[in-house]
Amino acid sequence: SQQGEEDPQALSIQEGENATMNCSYKTSINNLQWYRQNSGRGLVHLILIRSNEREKHSGRLRVTLDTSKKSSSLLITASRAADTASYFCATDHSYIPTFGRGTSLIVHP
Amino acid sequence: KAGVTQTPRYLIKTRGQQVTLSCSPISGHRSVSWYQQTPGQGLQFLFEYFSETQRNKGNFPGRFSGRQFSNSRSEMNVSTLELGDSALYLCASTSGDATNEKLFFGSGTQLSVL
Repeated sequence: SQQGEEDPQALSIQEGENATMNCSYKTSINNLQWYRQNSGRGLVHLILIRSNEREKHSGRLRVTLDTSKKSSSLLITASRAADTASYFCATDHSYIPTFGRGTSLIVHP
Repeated sequence: KAGVTQTPRYLIKTRGQQVTLSCSPISGHRSVSWYQQTPGQGLQFLFEYFSETQRNKGNFPGRFSGRQFSNSRSEMNVSTLELGDSALYLCASTSGDATNEKLFFGSGTQLSVL
């Protein structure tokens, strides 16, 4: 069963726009991770945010975490065509990261 | 440092056959996890091996099994293949020394069952 669920399922934007994806989860966590997957390939780790952190930045990525609402968001600023991929959140359910179904992001040049 | 290597990259099998997939983790990593990815179900955790022992197991039937060798390389086996086993199988490695570490994924094995 999925611990984290991403929203929206699909997102289509123009290059230069910002993209925001959300993740909701059910049980308390120690940390939450975001991954990216290019079509048919393995996942690549983007960022990890711990439960005692509220916001974290990495380049054009900004992640927030609201443990009271059991939700996280991933913001990609000034998106590029190369950002086209699926994005997954992973929560630390039962020791092993548990993934949602992902948000498919398409960035049009 | 070489990344996680999965072989083969593509595999086509017929129903009833069995298949073995291989995963070589990053050097020094002792934990290998396996995931099944399908369009409908997303990434589903199969099992995790650490130092040759299965440490965690997902909710899959006994047809799915795995093992890990002393060099941390891991294999997973699926017996009596069903059409629904068609999926991308991903393995990921970590040091395994702490909980919820960053996972390093291989490129996956795309299995098609006809």
